[in-house]
Amino acid sequence: DTGVSQDPRHKITKRGQNVTFRCDPISEHNRLYWYRQTLGQGPEFLTYFQNEAQLEKSRLLSDRFSAERPKGSFSTLEIQRTEQGDSAMYLCASSLVASSEQYFGPGTRLTVT
Amino acid sequence: GESVGLHLPTLSVQEGDNSIINCAYSNSASDYFIWYKQESGKGPQFIIDIRSNMDKRQGQRVTVLLNKTVKHLSLQIAATQPGDSAVYFCAETGGSNYKLTFGKGTLLTVNP
Repeated sequence: DTGVSQDPRHKITKRGQNVTFRCDPISEHNRLYWYRQTLGQGPEFLTYFQNEAQLEKSRLLSDRFSAERPKGSFSTLEIQRTEQGDSAMYLCASSLVASSEQYFGPGTRLTVT
Repeated sequence: GESVGLHLPTLSVQEGDNSIINCAYSNSASDYFIWYKQESGKGPQFIIDIRSNMDKRQGQRVTVLLNKTVKHLSLQIAATQPGDSAVYFCAETGGSNYKLTFGKGTLLTVNP
C-alpha cells in the first residue's frame, strides 16, 4: 500500500453516461497526477495539480474530461458522455514538488459497454 | 516524438538467478530515469531512480545502470524471487512538471 487511494476500484458504465473517480493522495504531497493505462501499455500522462492549481493538461484530455483538486487534497476526474475508447485503467499518483518519486494508487478500471 | 522503449517484452528466469531488464530512451533532456514494478491489478510501484548525472545507483537487491552514450538504462535484480514476477516499466522525467513518460514494459516471470 503506497498511501494513495482511489475510488471506485472498478466502474462499468454504459456509453454516454458520466463517471467520476476520486483520488486521495499522500497527505503531505503537493503534486497530484492523473494517468491512463490501456492493456499492455505503460501509463500515459493526462494532467497534474500542484496544490489546487491544475498546471498542465495533455492533449489526450479531451473536452469531455475534467479534473479538480478543490482544496489541494483529494482530486476528482470526471468523464462526460463516455465512449468505448475511454475504457482503461485510470491511475492517480502523488509526489512532493520537484521530486521524481511518484507514488501510485491502485487505479480505477473503467469499462464502457 | 520523444519516447522511452524496452528491448524485450518478456523475460523468464529461474528463482535465485539475477535478472537484467533493459530500456532504451531517446530524450537526452531527461533529468531522471525511474523503474517501476506493476503487479497484476495494481498500480505501478516505485523501485528506484537515477539522476542523469549518475552512472549507477544501488538499492536493496536492485541496481540501476545508466549509459548516456548509448541512451540505455538497465535494472538488475539480484537473487530473483517469485515475488519479483511482474511487469517492469522504465520511465523518464524532466523539466518542471516531472510528468512521467513510460515505455511499454517487460514481463518478468520467475520460475521456482
